[in-house]
Amino acid sequence: ETGVTQSPTHLIKTRGQQVTLRCSSQSGHNTVSWYQQALGQGPQFIFQYYREEENGRGNFPPRFSGLQFPNYSSELNVNALELDDSALYLCASSPREGGAEAAFFGQGTRLTVV
Amino acid sequence: AQSVTQLGSHVSVSEGALVLLRCNYSSSVPPYLFWYVQYPNQGLQLLLKYTSAATLVKGINGFEAEFKKSETSFHLTKPSAHMSDAAEYFCAVKTSYDKVIFGPGTSLSVIP
Repeated sequence: ETGVTQSPTHLIKTRGQQVTLRCSSQSGHNTVSWYQQALGQGPQFIFQYYREEENGRGNFPPRFSGLQFPNYSSELNVNALELDDSALYLCASSPREGGAEAAFFGQGTRLTVV
Repeated sequence: AQSVTQLGSHVSVSEGALVLLRCNYSSSVPPYLFWYVQYPNQGLQLLLKYTSAATLVKGINGFEAEFKKSETSFHLTKPSAHMSDAAEYFCAVKTSYDKVIFGPGTSLSVIP
């Protein structure tokens, strides 16, 4: 059983650029969530995908968008990068939407915007 | 709406001493509660979860947590701290059809 894997592990981008982060969910998990964790803070929910549809969104602007593919892997896209977007981006998968199951997290992608 | 507070952004204990990390939640419906641990430059690892089966929940690495509805608390404890327990700890809450909401975290230091 594979865990949640994210790529790349580290990334440096310039303000105004666009970035795509990737996540492969744990085997058997069909729900993927993305979180932003700024330095010294708890993870903040960005959005969740279930069956390739966005299923809930946190307090993030539309320049944060995502996709989920038929194999349940997912992408997070951020347009027009700002300095404040510098953070650890975490992907989490769970067996199904809703319910009591815990989410399992990847190692994260450390994004630095300069 | 749900929320989580963690009292104490930083806790220091001596090796071998009791670890107590506090978590209080707010939820209008019965919650599911979780504790996660994060080591430096890593993702989150699930320590334990409460899903209403039992109020005292045992997790990995000797940690346990007790759900107290009357106090809306879910404090994390470990009888004897080990150096390897030094990390950031996050309490989180969700309901059946909501998403996981995290607290701000507590950084645990273990003094030799």
